[in-house]
Amino acid sequence: DVVMTQTPLSLSVTPGQPASISCKSSQSLLHSDGKTYLFWYRQKPGQSPQLLIYEASNRFSGVPDRFGGSGSGTDFTLKISRVEAEDVGVYYCMQGINLLTFGGGTKVEIK
Amino acid sequence: EVQLLESGGALVQPGESLRLSCAASGFVFSNYAMSWVRQAPGKGLEWVSATSGSGGRTWYADSVKGRFTISRDNSRNTLYLQMNSLRVEDTAVYYCAKDLIPQITSWYGGVDYWGQGTLVTVSS
Repeated sequence: DVVMTQTPLSLSVTPGQPASISCKSSQSLLHSDGKTYLFWYRQKPGQSPQLLIYEASNRFSGVPDRFGGSGSGTDFTLKISRVEAEDVGVYYCMQGINLLTFGGGTKVEIK
Repeated sequence: EVQLLESGGALVQPGESLRLSCAASGFVFSNYAMSWVRQAPGKGLEWVSATSGSGGRTWYADSVKGRFTISRDNSRNTLYLQMNSLRVEDTAVYYCAKDLIPQITSWYGGVDYWGQGTLVTVSS
């Protein structure tokens, strides 16, 4: 099984400041087809998860450009350049190279 | 607009069965693999099962293999999850989710749209 480890568990951010979440996988997420099967989701309180980033660095349709994904192999990062109040929620990374497994989540709060 | 609407959640006793449904609209259902993902109360996300666009291939998490069966009716644009021998630890909100990339005979492995979820509670 591919284990996904996210840090930190929680983050308190002042509006307008940047935020960064790390995700590490137990094996490389680079597939032989050249794609990296790493995804980022945000789950706002009381809502379903929403896709933010696919294939490690591609923003999904409608996702603001303050969200950016980077990384390769086993180490990945989600960065929010300027946190806004609506960004509160729990952020999950997920791998899709071998079935699907999620990281434990990072709770983002606003100071 | 993609819409996924789950139904069928209920309170059941351990050992009982339940069938969840997910009605899809806003996309060509048969072109996309679909998944079920669950979330226990106050916990993180756990993938449960997936099926290819045609329904000919299925995948399961070890935690549900042999007890749950995923299926789909492409003529009704509906995804199902038959859950047998339910356990207390199966208690969760169950979401259906659509694959990002069309895959009729296989499974891309990343989901984009999720339904609002349906609650399954297993308790005596």
